[in-house]
Amino acid sequence: GQQVMQIPQYQHVQEGEDFTTYCNSSTTLSNIQWYKQRPGGHPVFLIQLVKSGEVKKQKRLTFQFGEAKKNSSLHITATQTTDVGTYFCAGPRYGGATNKLIFGTGTLLAVQP
Amino acid sequence: DTEVTQTPKHLVMGMTNKKSLKCEQHMGHRAMYWYKQKAKKPPELMFVYSYEKLSINESVPSRFSPECPNSSLLNLHLHALQPEDSALYLCASRFTSGSYNEQFFGPGTRLTVL
Repeated sequence: GQQVMQIPQYQHVQEGEDFTTYCNSSTTLSNIQWYKQRPGGHPVFLIQLVKSGEVKKQKRLTFQFGEAKKNSSLHITATQTTDVGTYFCAGPRYGGATNKLIFGTGTLLAVQP
Repeated sequence: DTEVTQTPKHLVMGMTNKKSLKCEQHMGHRAMYWYKQKAKKPPELMFVYSYEKLSINESVPSRFSPECPNSSLLNLHLHALQPEDSALYLCASRFTSGSYNEQFFGPGTRLTVL
């Protein structure tokens, strides 16, 4: 079945260092969404990318959607302790109902002050 | 009001109990979801309601019974659960505009089955 994998599973950085998580789908995605879940919290929507090769920025966060629409990345510049949490990518189920999201395996980011 | 609320926040139940989880949103979203999330895992879809009708059931055991009384409310009725059903249960609603989609998640109910 359709799978969405993320690497790394876990990343520990010093505050101020950069961080990147990569998302790879086994199938082409019509769009990719990114969510952040703080420890003990719930997923919060960050962004959606739709176009092949699309790049979007939100302050220190840069999101990319691959040309083949099968991969995506999230890059955080100069991490802060507020960036701690698990970052999930998610895409619609291939060939099925577009209202079903398949979540990636997630990357847990730890930031040491 | 741009939030999804869920009650209760925490629930402990025995395997013979019957309980219900509640979810509410007043954003006018017509798609609502139940997810199950185990520790250190991504949310796993259970049910989707679209315009108050069940549109997706991800082969969830019948001890979980969803209900959508109206466009703002979503319930999940629990009966005869197993300890492995202990998890965070998340409700979400979806905003759609053209190709734009965004899911709003509630804070979740942390369920423990003894």
